[in-house]
Amino acid sequence: AQKVTQAQTEISVVEKEDVTLDCVYETRDTTYYLFWYKQPPSGELVFLIRRNSFDEQNEISGRYSWNFQKSTSSFNFTITASQVVDSAVYFCALRRGSNDYKLSFGAGTTVTVRA
Amino acid sequence: ETGVTQTPRHLVMGMTNKKSLKCEQHLGHNAMYWYKQSAKKPLELMFVYSLEERVENNSVPSRFSPECPNSSHLFLHLHTLQPEDSALYLCASSQGDGAGKTQYFGPGTRLLVL
Repeated sequence: AQKVTQAQTEISVVEKEDVTLDCVYETRDTTYYLFWYKQPPSGELVFLIRRNSFDEQNEISGRYSWNFQKSTSSFNFTITASQVVDSAVYFCALRRGSNDYKLSFGAGTTVTVRA
Repeated sequence: ETGVTQTPRHLVMGMTNKKSLKCEQHLGHNAMYWYKQSAKKPLELMFVYSLEERVENNSVPSRFSPECPNSSHLFLHLHTLQPEDSALYLCASSQGDGAGKTQYFGPGTRLLVL
């Protein structure tokens, strides 16, 4: 069975601080895909990144960076120099590399950035 | 800016009402999904359509009835709902339904059942 754990329920930071969101996953598959989505107060889930299980290369996109470590089954997300607009709920998700349509989401981490 | 739109954005209905949620994607995708997001629960996949055929029905009660008339439109017909069905209903689409395909979500319909 697939499971995604986001242990941090809420994180509050002051603008310009860095914030790291933890994501730990469980799967028996050797091929799988990991995702991060952002959900601002408007409700829409905004796609941020996709990673397949064979690509452990870390990625940086502007102020966002992701650290994928298969050895610890983690796919952590860091926002550098946070801004108020980063305030949202962030979800980590896992999908099997087979004919399984289910995208297993974590419970989400609410990030509040204070001015 | 979004390639997936949903209407209405908010809906209040009684338990005896019949209503429909609409989703439209402008991305040229051929797979569409309905998810339910309840307070304090992870997102739950409800239905999946691929090339206009239903390929997944995740043990959803029959009071929810999906319809996919073409690859751009997806409906969720609601009837005799219960208060516990109050939630945010999210539509998503992808190009293909394969495991590595990214799903793009709409803004959701926030449903309140009285």
